[in-house]
Amino acid sequence: TQLLEQSPQFLSIQEGENLTVYCNSSSVFSSLQWYRQEPGEGPVLLVTVVTGGEVKKLKRLTFQFGDARKDSSLHITAAQPGDTGLYLCAGEGSARQLTFGSGTQLTVLP
Amino acid sequence: TAGITQAPTSQILAAGRSMTLRCTQDMRHNAMYWYRQDLGLGLRLIHYSNTAGTTGKGEVPDGYSVSRANTDDFPLTLASAVPSQTSVYFCASSAQGFNEQFFGPGTRLTVL
Repeated sequence: TQLLEQSPQFLSIQEGENLTVYCNSSSVFSSLQWYRQEPGEGPVLLVTVVTGGEVKKLKRLTFQFGDARKDSSLHITAAQPGDTGLYLCAGEGSARQLTFGSGTQLTVLP
Repeated sequence: TAGITQAPTSQILAAGRSMTLRCTQDMRHNAMYWYRQDLGLGLRLIHYSNTAGTTGKGEVPDGYSVSRANTDDFPLTLASAVPSQTSVYFCASSAQGFNEQFFGPGTRLTVL
């Protein structure tokens, strides 16, 4: 079974601060996705990274896929209250199914 | 476009009773999935279907069954509910050849 560990599990920061969320595994994934989930809703895809070492930017969010395709990070610059939510990473394995991490609950305080 | 709908939104169920969670998508996606989400454990795959007429077991299939009679519908049945099945259940779908999954709003199930 492929496992994805996310850290930290909870993060509470002030508006304007920067933060990084980590997603680590001992397994290699063909791609890695990041989702954001708000209370009472299903997860929504933010980005997919496919190539080892790939970096993608989505406004103030920067996503990086590790060179060995075993880990990924999400960096948020100048966090805003609207960034509050549960961030989930998900790795695509050989069977084209997703393995989800346990999530990082981010709270950005105004 | 509705995307994916799930019903009911929430349910309280007595242990030992059966229940079917409904999921319908209008995007003509080939693949559909059922996950359960528990605090600290993320989303775990229960069952999946790569195309109408086929189903497969995920990470935590015990106590659950699914069917895929057509492209749009993917119901999840609990034959005899137990308290450990208390969770939030999400249905998702994806288009053939793409790995992005689209999720429904979830069903919150409490088994007493």
